[in-house]
Amino acid sequence: QVQLVESGGGVVQPGRSLTLSCAASGFRLTSYLMHWVRQAPGKGLEWVAVISSDGRNKYYADSVRGRFTISRDTSKNTLFGQMNSLRPDDTAVYYCARDNPQSGGFDYWGKGTLVTVSS
Amino acid sequence: EIVVTQSAATLSVSPGERATLSCRASQSVNGNLAWYQQKPGQAPRLLIYGASTRATGVAARFSGSGSGTEFILTISSLESEDSAVYYCQQYNNWPMYTFGQGTKLEIK
Repeated sequence: QVQLVESGGGVVQPGRSLTLSCAASGFRLTSYLMHWVRQAPGKGLEWVAVISSDGRNKYYADSVRGRFTISRDTSKNTLFGQMNSLRPDDTAVYYCARDNPQSGGFDYWGKGTLVTVSS
Repeated sequence: EIVVTQSAATLSVSPGERATLSCRASQSVNGNLAWYQQKPGQAPRLLIYGASTRATGVAARFSGSGSGTEFILTISSLESEDSAVYYCQQYNNWPMYTFGQGTKLEIK
């Protein structure tokens, strides 16, 4: 069955970097758009980034552009999100989500990984 | 950027009654709108896509309607397990898939 499992979160100091991972199973990343979505504590959902099914196209929210890089390793069927120059307002649960073009919307989500940016 | 607005921050409805949640987009998204349910400590769950199509496994009491800029999620007969935050999301404006701010549904 389809499963997404995030890892890599933790407590990090402002200005430092962190790489998030999302291990996918039950489907191939090469067949779907994949997104990162984040949720600050007690707040709503914020779309962060997307990578196309062929891996060629990547787009970012204004709030992370230039600091966040989405990528994948198709041999490991794993999605990544590299976060640089972290700020306290990057503190959030980060979810990876699958975009189903046949239906629309994000049909599978991971459980999320918490990133806390604090000195 | 398309701004998506959910008019009610909180909605309180009694069990067995109907709940109506609203979502408005700042410009037409055609039918490219999804609804999600999120319970505390859990990831969002896709309920509705294409404005009105229930996702796999979603109970029939959930229904979506609307087009263009105005959309509604209806829960026909509330159950206690429906207590959650509900988000709408437009996916018409690739790649900026914006979410509404959410409506917290409380069961009286």
